[in-house]
Amino acid sequence: TQLLEQSPQFLSIQEGENLTVYCNSSSVFSSLQWYRQEPGEGPVLLVTVVTGGEVKKLKRLTFQFGDARKDSSLHITAAQPGDTGLYLCAGGSSNDYKLSFGAGTTVTVRA
Amino acid sequence: KAGVTQTPRYLIKTRGQQVTLSCSPISGHRSVSWYQQTPGQGLQFLFEYFSETQRNKGNFPGRFSGRQFSNSRSEMNVSTLELGDSALYLCASSPREGRNTEAFFGQGTRLTVV
Repeated sequence: TQLLEQSPQFLSIQEGENLTVYCNSSSVFSSLQWYRQEPGEGPVLLVTVVTGGEVKKLKRLTFQFGDARKDSSLHITAAQPGDTGLYLCAGGSSNDYKLSFGAGTTVTVRA
Repeated sequence: KAGVTQTPRYLIKTRGQQVTLSCSPISGHRSVSWYQQTPGQGLQFLFEYFSETQRNKGNFPGRFSGRQFSNSRSEMNVSTLELGDSALYLCASSPREGRNTEAFFGQGTRLTVV
């Protein structure tokens, strides 16, 4: 069983501050995704990383995939209230056709 | 390109009944997966279908079943509903190209069992 641990579980910050969410596993993944989910809605894909050491930027969001493809981080610069939501990391294997999800980090950005 | 469509959005059922949920994937995507999301357990994998074949199944009882049609549309069925089956059921479609296993989710079906 591939387990993904996310930390912290909850994060509440003021608008304009920076934040980092971590996703760790003892398993190697062929790809890793980050999603954001709002209450009552499905998760929305933010990014996919597939190469160890890969860094991707999406406006104020920076995603890193660990060299060994076991861990990842999401950094948000100058957070805005619109960044509020549940952030989920998910690891995929090309062999077992499923995603294993972390428990999620609930981010609240106060105006 | 239209996204993943799930119907219905909301459903209320009584214990012991059965329910069928529907999912239409993104055009061209042949893989469809189903997940159950609850506050206590998070997102749990139910099963995955590709070209009408179930390729993987999660750790759920046999009351949970699914199928995929030749047009890639999928349905999942839960029989003999229990209170604990109340959850957000999410369908995701994927192009399944190479090592990239990214999935695109629908808005989900909120099932409440009373």
